Amino acid sequence: AQSVTQPDIHITVSEGASLELRCNYSYGATPYLFWYVQSPGQGLQLLLKYFSGDTLVQGIKGFEAEFKRSQSSFNLRKPSVHWSDAAEYFCAVGAQRGSYIPTFGRGTSLIVHP
Amino acid sequence: DTAVSQTPKYLVTQMGNDKSIKCEQNLGHDTMYWYKQDSKKFLKIMFSYNNKELIINETVPNRFSPKSPDKAHLNLHINSLELGDSAVYFCASSLGTGAQPQHFGDGTRLSIL
Repeated sequence: AQSVTQPDIHITVSEGASLELRCNYSYGATPYLFWYVQSPGQGLQLLLKYFSGDTLVQGIKGFEAEFKRSQSSFNLRKPSVHWSDAAEYFCAVGAQRGSYIPTFGRGTSLIVHP
Repeated sequence: DTAVSQTPKYLVTQMGNDKSIKCEQNLGHDTMYWYKQDSKKFLKIMFSYNNKELIINETVPNRFSPKSPDKAHLNLHINSLELGDSAVYFCASSLGTGAQPQHFGDGTRLSIL
């Protein structure tokens, strides 16, 4: 069965610093991978997705993620964090063929210090 | 124009009551979902409908009953509410099944007194 691990429950960075949020997945084939962001009181919003092709994926709000098959990872990065980036971030893997169930990680809470 | 809208946004009620949450999407998607998010932000899928057909029915008490009158709507009815039902419930939709990106509503915060 597919699974997603986000090893960091909380990450604290200073405004203007770079950011990397970790995501590891377990899946039997090439996965469909997603990063979502959840601002307080809101639903999840898609930041970016990887289906195939270029392993470096650009998303909205200046985020990017890199798919590394050898490490089963799909880490999210941003070169310079803004205070408005403080939110909960979820990594997700799309459903397996023949199954409809997407799998979400437990989330990483990003705290941004001024 | 809200893509995925849920009503109500807040729901405060007493144990034992029955309540419903409504969800509508105007994206033309054919798949809709209900998720439960607990106080630790863990997101658990409950149900999914594809073209009005139930395709995901996770381990959820049978007090929870989804209903999809058409592809654009997915409602959730909860009978005999319990304290443990307190959570934020999210509706989502996608074009195709769970391999596709999902669009989420803003959630319904359910509080049981």
